[in-house]
Amino acid sequence: KAGVTQTPRYLIKTRGQQVTLSCSPISGHRSVSWYQQTPGQGLQFLFEYFSETQRNKGNFPGRFSGRQFSNSRSEMNVSTLELGDSALYLCASSPYGGHSYGYTFGSGTRLTVV
Amino acid sequence: SQQGEEDPQALSIQEGENATMNCSYKTSINNLQWYRQNSGRGLVHLILIRSNEREKHSGRLRVTLDTSKKSSSLLITASRAADTASYFCATDAGGSQGNLIFGKGTKLSVKP
Repeated sequence: KAGVTQTPRYLIKTRGQQVTLSCSPISGHRSVSWYQQTPGQGLQFLFEYFSETQRNKGNFPGRFSGRQFSNSRSEMNVSTLELGDSALYLCASSPYGGHSYGYTFGSGTRLTVV
Repeated sequence: SQQGEEDPQALSIQEGENATMNCSYKTSINNLQWYRQNSGRGLVHLILIRSNEREKHSGRLRVTLDTSKKSSSLLITASRAADTASYFCATDAGGSQGNLIFGKGTKLSVKP
């Protein structure tokens, strides 16, 4: 079966701009989680969507937002980009949430803010 | 906040040797999971061990869990150059929340 698809793979944006990242989970998976990975902070949880509802949220400012569509595809948006937002953004798909059976991750979107 | 902490941060071994990585965590858990990440790519789920299990095997991987010490170890036997990657432990923080909390990882280098 198809894996988790994240688009785009690479992105370069300028400070102050906004960006939208997309994730298509494994068919049948209802939970999509987003993580930010940086060398300094490691993997930080952004938020989780389950059946179109945000179920959990990490400790990130309101500039980071997301949504999930009825087909379980998810998008995350970062507004007013800062240099510190440069990171690998990872989408993780699971049937009910990573706590129960674990995640299947996408390959990530590498965001560079200049 | 960091729940799991891996030790060591980096490990360099020769092909054929065994690699052991440790993970300590702070709060009670329902399960603990190990993931592998090749450079700059997504993470791959390796194994999940539940809080009522003490040991689990998958191929060349052996995971132990000691809930009294709040620690886990991942053993890779007969390592190969292809095992070179970062390894992360992740915990569910013991609640019904859907997300996992990851440690900062152990970077394993296996030299041919």
